[in-house]
Amino acid sequence: AQSVTQPDIHITVSEGASLELRCNYSYGATPYLFWYVQSPGQGLQLLLKYFSGDTLVQGIKGFEAEFKRSQSSFNLRKPSVHWSDAAEYFCAVGEAGYNKLIFGAGTRLAVHP
Amino acid sequence: DGGITQSPKYLFRKEGQNVTLSCEQNLNHDAMYWYRQDPGQGLRLIYYSQIVNDFQKGDIAEGYSVSREKKESFPLTVTSAQKNPTAFYLCASTTKPLSSLGTEAFFGQGTRLTVV
Repeated sequence: AQSVTQPDIHITVSEGASLELRCNYSYGATPYLFWYVQSPGQGLQLLLKYFSGDTLVQGIKGFEAEFKRSQSSFNLRKPSVHWSDAAEYFCAVGEAGYNKLIFGAGTRLAVHP
Repeated sequence: DGGITQSPKYLFRKEGQNVTLSCEQNLNHDAMYWYRQDPGQGLRLIYYSQIVNDFQKGDIAEGYSVSREKKESFPLTVTSAQKNPTAFYLCASTTKPLSSLGTEAFFGQGTRLTVV
């Protein structure tokens, strides 16, 4: 069965520190991969997406993610975290022929000043 | 500005009552989706619609119903048959079905439903 795993439920970093949020997926075919961010009580905003081509993708707000097929991973990174990055982050996977996204359980990011 | 509007933002329902959540989009998107979000579980698909007058069940459709009479509207009814309806509900839309390469989903701001 298709699945997405975000191993870290909560992560706390200091402002200015680097960040990496992990995402692993289980899929038979080439997946479409997404990272979304959600502020409390709000909807989801797309940070970045990967469909094909260059495995390092750039997104909004200074985020980037790297698709590693050999590791079935799509980790999200940011070199320097800002206090406004505190939110919940969701990794999602789609597959051609299936009309749904499979979401991970999310990682809640806290940023200390 | 184009977007997806969900209303109301907060909704309280007594046990045994049906309630309808509104989702309207002015993005001219063909496909629309309803997700349910529970803490620590990510988002789960309830129903989706690729075109007007057509919709399909998602992973957790039991106790829910939808209609798609207009392209811009996709209301979700939470019926009394839904055993645990308290959750955060998110509506999304896409230009073409998610099965198509290159599609990304746009989300509304959500409705928090509480059963009292």
